[in-house]
Amino acid sequence: GAVVSQHPSRVICKSGTSVKIECRSLDFQATTMFWYRQFPKKSLMLMATSNEGSKATYEQGVEKDKFLINHASLTLSTLTVTSAHPEDSSFYICSARDSSNEKLFFGSGTQLSVL
Amino acid sequence: GQQLNQSPQSMFIQEGEDVSMNCTSSSIFNTWLWYKQDPGEGPVLLIALYKAGELTSNGRLTAQFGITRKDSFLNISASIPSDVGIYFCAGDYSGGGADGLTFGKGTHLIIQP
Repeated sequence: GAVVSQHPSRVICKSGTSVKIECRSLDFQATTMFWYRQFPKKSLMLMATSNEGSKATYEQGVEKDKFLINHASLTLSTLTVTSAHPEDSSFYICSARDSSNEKLFFGSGTQLSVL
Repeated sequence: GQQLNQSPQSMFIQEGEDVSMNCTSSSIFNTWLWYKQDPGEGPVLLIALYKAGELTSNGRLTAQFGITRKDSFLNISASIPSDVGIYFCAGDYSGGGADGLTFGKGTHLIIQP
């Protein structure tokens, strides 16, 4: 079945540093990928839609300069949390939409802890 | 974005009992999806529903896409310990693939020994 690989699975960083999270579709092409944020025992909230070859579309309230998204190829999207602060600590999950059949597949998530 | 109304928020049941949870929305969705999430993991798709009125089973799981396209339910029969987790409903407009999913707030399933 289709697989979405998300790395790293867990990252701990110091406040003020930047962290990059990768989301790869391993056996399908994804024109569109999505980034979600999830707080403990809460629902997934869509942060942004990542479009291959164009700018990402951000949901209301999500800072574009804070959460940089790059979708340079049909199989890779990256989310960079810039100048991370403790309040950015969260579980980040990506999903990729298979361009051939529109089905969505999720990565396994990245637990970010900012000290 | 909009959230779906998912209930119950949590369930405490005995092993072997049946489970039922549902989601409602004020908006129409083209697709309803049910996911299970284990701690520290991404959501795993359980059942996808594509047509209004559709009733689909996956082992002990059964889900239905409401006729109005504004609601869905998920039933789990004869629960077992590995059913513990958080279950999310999600709606997908999927009009052209450009939209992300709208998630319910989740149902925490806890199975008491």
